Amino acid sequence: DIQMTQSPSSLSASVGDRVTITCRASQSITSYLNWYQQKPGKAPKLLIYAASSLQTGVPSRFSGSGSGTDFTLTISSLQPEDFATYYCQQSYITPWTFGQGTKVEIK
Amino acid sequence: QVQLQESGPGLVKPSGTLSLTCAVSGDSISSSNWWSWVRQPPGKGLEWIGEIYHSGSTNYNPSLKSRVTISVDKPNNQFSLKLSSVTAADTAVYYCARGGSSLHSDFDYWGQGTLVTVSS
Repeated sequence: DIQMTQSPSSLSASVGDRVTITCRASQSITSYLNWYQQKPGKAPKLLIYAASSLQTGVPSRFSGSGSGTDFTLTISSLQPEDFATYYCQQSYITPWTFGQGTKVEIK
Repeated sequence: QVQLQESGPGLVKPSGTLSLTCAVSGDSISSSNWWSWVRQPPGKGLEWIGEIYHSGSTNYNPSLKSRVTISVDKPNNQFSLKLSSVTAADTAVYYCARGGSSLHSDFDYWGQGTLVTVSS
């Protein structure tokens, strides 16, 4: 199985901050990397697919980059509704696997 | 608007079989998408369980493969999950989700999730 490792596991940030979350795959997954946002008690929501493509309806302050084994999710200006847990997921080969999550909390 | 809705018992006894159904609306289960089950133990991360295509083709997570069966019900536009020999470690919120139409699945639509507790 491909292991996905996110860093940091949690972070504290203020509204308006630029936030970057990193995801590393245990082997190359080319660009088959997706990002999700999950709020408490809710299902995950797809933000970014294929490493850098913004899902329809997702604000443009979210962006993704990377290829191979190293990927980043960036929130350019953190908004109150962005406080949540973020997961990466590889879609290169089954079993599809997720990172352990990064919790973004209010500073 | 694509919607998925999980249903099934919220409590299952140890060594029993967990059975859930996902009803799909706004899309056909016979479309070109794969349909998945994902679970999340309380306070923990996401684990993919398996997926099915309308043809009946399946892919399972090897960690659960010996206990999992996913099936499709085309007339009722739904798909189902059975997980046998459950233990407390199978207690989780179970989500159904729509996967991709290619060999590479992102999950663009999700059900709201249903909590299944394994306890006597």
